[in-house]
Amino acid sequence: AQSVTQLGSHVSVSEGALVLLRCNYSSSVPPYLFWYVQYPNQGLQLLLKYTTGATLVKGINGFEAEFKKSETSFHLTKPSAHMSDAAEYFCAVRGYNNNDMRFGAGTRLTVKP
Amino acid sequence: EPEVTQTPSHQVTQMGQEVILRCVPISNHLYFYWYRQILGQKVEFLVSFYNNEISEKSEIFDDQFSVERPDGSNFTLKIRSTKLEDSAMYFCASRLTSGGADTQYFGPGTRLTVL
Repeated sequence: AQSVTQLGSHVSVSEGALVLLRCNYSSSVPPYLFWYVQYPNQGLQLLLKYTTGATLVKGINGFEAEFKKSETSFHLTKPSAHMSDAAEYFCAVRGYNNNDMRFGAGTRLTVKP
Repeated sequence: EPEVTQTPSHQVTQMGQEVILRCVPISNHLYFYWYRQILGQKVEFLVSFYNNEISEKSEIFDDQFSVERPDGSNFTLKIRSTKLEDSAMYFCASRLTSGGADTQYFGPGTRLTVL
């Protein structure tokens, strides 16, 4: 079975500062890993995903994440936060032979001016 | 860009009533899903649907829940007799293939409030 843990339910950064949202996964099979963003009153939008190949994955809006198998991590980063990045971020995992996707509890990102 | 749509955006119902949440997946997608998110909690998988039948369901998806694809475009979630604890945001999702790497596209959600 697969699961993810997101460390920190709430992260606050200043505009222009580094964003780091942490995600650790547990999987008995090679995982596919995803980051979704949820803006207020909207659905889940895919930021990026790791499937195979390059472990550093670049997504939309300047975000990227690195798959580290040795650390079972898939942390999301952005070099410089923008006010528009304020949202809820969800890490998710799915095994290659699984149908359902398992989500973390989410991290709410606040960006201060 | 194609998107998953859901109606209504907000549904208020009395405990014990039946509700039907509606979704229109992306038109060429073949796999359909329902998830729910209780306020302040994680997004939880409910059910997946393919080829007009349920392919997987979670322990949450009990006899009170059912899904249907009544025509070529809609995908519905029915809750037969709602309970207070069914209050949540319900997300529909779809994807083209069954491959684990394939992206799931989510709708904007329906907020269900059971009074």
